[in-house]
Amino acid sequence: GNSVTQMEGPVTLSEEAFLTINCTYTATGYPSLFWYVQYPGEGLQLLLKATKADDKGSNKGFEATYRKETTSFHLEKGSVQVSDSAVYFCALSDPSGGSYIPTFGRGTSLIVHP
Amino acid sequence: GAGVSQSPSNKVTEKGKDVELRCDPISGHTALYWYRQRLGQGLEFLIYFQGNSAPDKSGLPSDRFSAERTGESVSTLTIQRTQQEDSAVYLCASSSGTGHNQPQHFGDGTRLSIL
Repeated sequence: GNSVTQMEGPVTLSEEAFLTINCTYTATGYPSLFWYVQYPGEGLQLLLKATKADDKGSNKGFEATYRKETTSFHLEKGSVQVSDSAVYFCALSDPSGGSYIPTFGRGTSLIVHP
Repeated sequence: GAGVSQSPSNKVTEKGKDVELRCDPISGHTALYWYRQRLGQGLEFLIYFQGNSAPDKSGLPSDRFSAERTGESVSTLTIQRTQQEDSAVYLCASSSGTGHNQPQHFGDGTRLSIL
């Protein structure tokens, strides 16, 4: 079956620090990969995605590269802000087997201090 | 354009009562998903609708849970004889098709509290 593993949080950083949130996956087929962000009291929002190996998704200063050889999709940002404090979810969607139900990681909480 | 809309945003009810949660997907989105998110936890898949196909109910935790969708529009999630362990945020998401590279668009959820 499919699975997504994220580093456990919370991740606590000072403003302007470098961020990495690790995500690795297992999939039967060739999945698309996503990062979603959830701010307090809200639903998830798509942050970025990548659909094939070596693709780099980017948005709002965040980046993640689809690494098929290491089955990873780590999220990075060079300089975090207090407003980036949220929960980040890594997810995959695998077309094999005909299921369109994505697999989500457990989420990683990010806390950024001024 | 409007995003995914869920109502009510908050619901407090007594144990044993039935509750109905509503989701309005983005217009034209054929796929609709319901998830449960317990406090501080990840997403638990409940049910998936795609167009007029039979829904995938594999995530429903018990027969107290049911959901309906009329065509490609509104969906309702019903929980009968609520229990305290049903307390959670219920999230609805829609997407534009069956392509596996289509992202999901989420509502803000319904926060359900069972007293």
